[in-house]
Amino acid sequence: KQEVTQIPAALSVPEGENLVLNCSFTDSAIYNLQWFRQDPGKGLTSLLLIQSSQREQTSGRLNASLDKSSGRSTLYIAASQPGDSATYLCAVNRYNFNKFYFGSGTKLNVKP
Amino acid sequence: DVKVTQSSRYLVKRTGEKVFLECVQDMDHENMFWYRQDPGLGLRLIYFSYDVKMKEKGDIPEGYSVSREKKERFSLILESASTNQTSMYLCASAPSAGTGGEGYGYTFGSGTRLTVV
Repeated sequence: KQEVTQIPAALSVPEGENLVLNCSFTDSAIYNLQWFRQDPGKGLTSLLLIQSSQREQTSGRLNASLDKSSGRSTLYIAASQPGDSATYLCAVNRYNFNKFYFGSGTKLNVKP
Repeated sequence: DVKVTQSSRYLVKRTGEKVFLECVQDMDHENMFWYRQDPGLGLRLIYFSYDVKMKEKGDIPEGYSVSREKKERFSLILESASTNQTSMYLCASAPSAGTGGEGYGYTFGSGTRLTVV
């Protein structure tokens, strides 16, 4: 069974800092990897989707990379802002298995 | 823009009641999912459906059932609500991976916070 781990569980940084969130998975036969953001008491908002044939995706200040061979993905957030404070989750799936496996998330606090 | 709509943001129900949580998506997705999310336990898959009238158990189906009579609607049913079913319930949808079909992902609804008293 695929296991997804996110480290650290929580992170507190001052505003303006660049930061990296980590996601690792045990089965490298993934098809897609998706990063989400969740605000307290809310649903999940998709940030970036990386297909297995891709190595990275970018959206604004966010950049996600994927290294299937090592079972890792990173989410890079540039010039962090207090509005980035949220929990970030990653999820992976296998081809023809539409079910995603989720990590437990990294809770980010960006201090003004 | 894909939308997944969950009918209630907050619900309070009594122990033993039959509870229906509704989810509707507007992008003709084949796959729909119900998760529950609890502090320290993350997201756990309850049931999913890959087609109308088709369903499969997830990791924690006990105490739940589902119904998918139309493609756009996936209902989660708590047959007899119990206090340990107090949780945040999240619905998601996704298209099927076609031949070589990469690049699809989940779209989530905004969640239903259910409290069973």
